[in-house]
Amino acid sequence: QVQLLESGPGLVKPSETLSLTCTVSGGSVSRDYWSWVRQPAGKGLEWIGHIYSSVTYYSPSLWSRVTMSVDTSRNQFSLEMSSVTAADTAVYYCASGPWSLDYWGQGTLVTVAS
Amino acid sequence: EIVLTQSPGTLSLSPGEGATLSCRASQSVSSRYLTWYQQKPGQAPRLLIYSASKRATGIPDRFSGSGSGTDFTLTIKRLEPEDFAVYYCQQSGSSPTWTFGQGTKVEIK
Repeated sequence: QVQLLESGPGLVKPSETLSLTCTVSGGSVSRDYWSWVRQPAGKGLEWIGHIYSSVTYYSPSLWSRVTMSVDTSRNQFSLEMSSVTAADTAVYYCASGPWSLDYWGQGTLVTVAS
Repeated sequence: EIVLTQSPGTLSLSPGEGATLSCRASQSVSSRYLTWYQQKPGQAPRLLIYSASKRATGIPDRFSGSGSGTDFTLTIKRLEPEDFAVYYCQQSGSSPTWTFGQGTKVEIK
């Protein structure tokens, strides 16, 4: 059973870079697909992107600001989103699965405010 | 990018009734890559149905998925109190980009 746990700052200033890490247990980041999904309060789910064997795929609407990476030594994968605005305030989930997202982290709220 | 449109936006039903949720894609999606999730308030989404019609581990058989091409359906027979939630469809067929529908809320009437 894969377990995922997001971590990172809960508050980020506008124009700065949001950085989140997902720690994986019960699986290996060197295999399988690892995704980030976000959800603004009261709204639906938005796929941000995923990484597979260090190859990344991003949402067309976010690709210019997003970078994902894996750290195999720590069995973690990460999300960086640059030039954030209030519109990036959301619960951010990490998840895993090749076509469907079989496992999800609990989510972490990131607020963009000065 | 494939757009998924879910309908209705909200379904008001009583426990014991059946629910039919629709997910329509802007272009054809392989059934293999169509997934349904359930999300309750304050919780992460939970995998419900994958490959359009296969129930995930531990999902009761009152949940079923069907469809092909651009039209997919999630059916819930005899709603239980714990089934009132928001349901999302998702496609991963237009690899490498994935998309979610906007969700259908099933609420108690």
